[in-house]
Amino acid sequence: QLQLQESGSGLVKPSQTLSLTCTLSGGSIDSDANSWSWIRQPPGKGLEYLGYVYHGGSTYYTPSLRSRVTMSLDKSKNQFSLNLTSVTAADTAVYYCARDRRGDNAMDVWGHGTTVTVSS
Amino acid sequence: DIQMTQSPSTLSASVGDRVTITCRASQTIFNWLAWYQQKPGRAPKVLIYKASTLEDGVPSRFSGSGSGRDYTLTISSLQPDDFATYYCQQSSSYPRTFGQGTKVEIK
Repeated sequence: QLQLQESGSGLVKPSQTLSLTCTLSGGSIDSDANSWSWIRQPPGKGLEYLGYVYHGGSTYYTPSLRSRVTMSLDKSKNQFSLNLTSVTAADTAVYYCARDRRGDNAMDVWGHGTTVTVSS
Repeated sequence: DIQMTQSPSTLSASVGDRVTITCRASQTIFNWLAWYQQKPGRAPKVLIYKASTLEDGVPSRFSGSGSGRDYTLTISSLQPDDFATYYCQQSSSYPRTFGQGTKVEIK
């Protein structure tokens, strides 16, 4: 059974860089040409799509974050990662990683989510 | 970006009720519409994809319909486990966008 698990810094100071990693277990991140996505949810609010890294390494970032975000894939570790620079309090959220399933575009496997707080 | 508008924002219902949630896209999305259920402190879970296809393992009381810009999630007989927040999401184009959510509460 496929599982995703987020890890990384839970507390980040303003203007610094948020770094998260998502590790896949139960399968290979290089199989089936899926996309690996990041989504966040500010406290008490809805879901915001951040972007994806494709199994081949290409990426897409949502325009509002494009200047600050980088996503990458490490096939040797079965992981993908998110870096978000110059963070502010507005970046405080639960961050989820998810698999965007090839062919039907359903996000069918999600991590449990990790809370990131931006505060000095 | 494609804007997704869900209604209602909150819905109060009783066990056994038939519940309908609607989602309207700002442009046609060609049935590239998924529905997710989220419970407090948990990740979203996909229920329906491609507007009307039930994800494996999801109870058949959930169904989806619609076309063009307008889509509907129906729960035929609300069960205690169904009290949650529901989101629609378009996957017709990037960035993927979600509706603002519909919270289904106990009446």
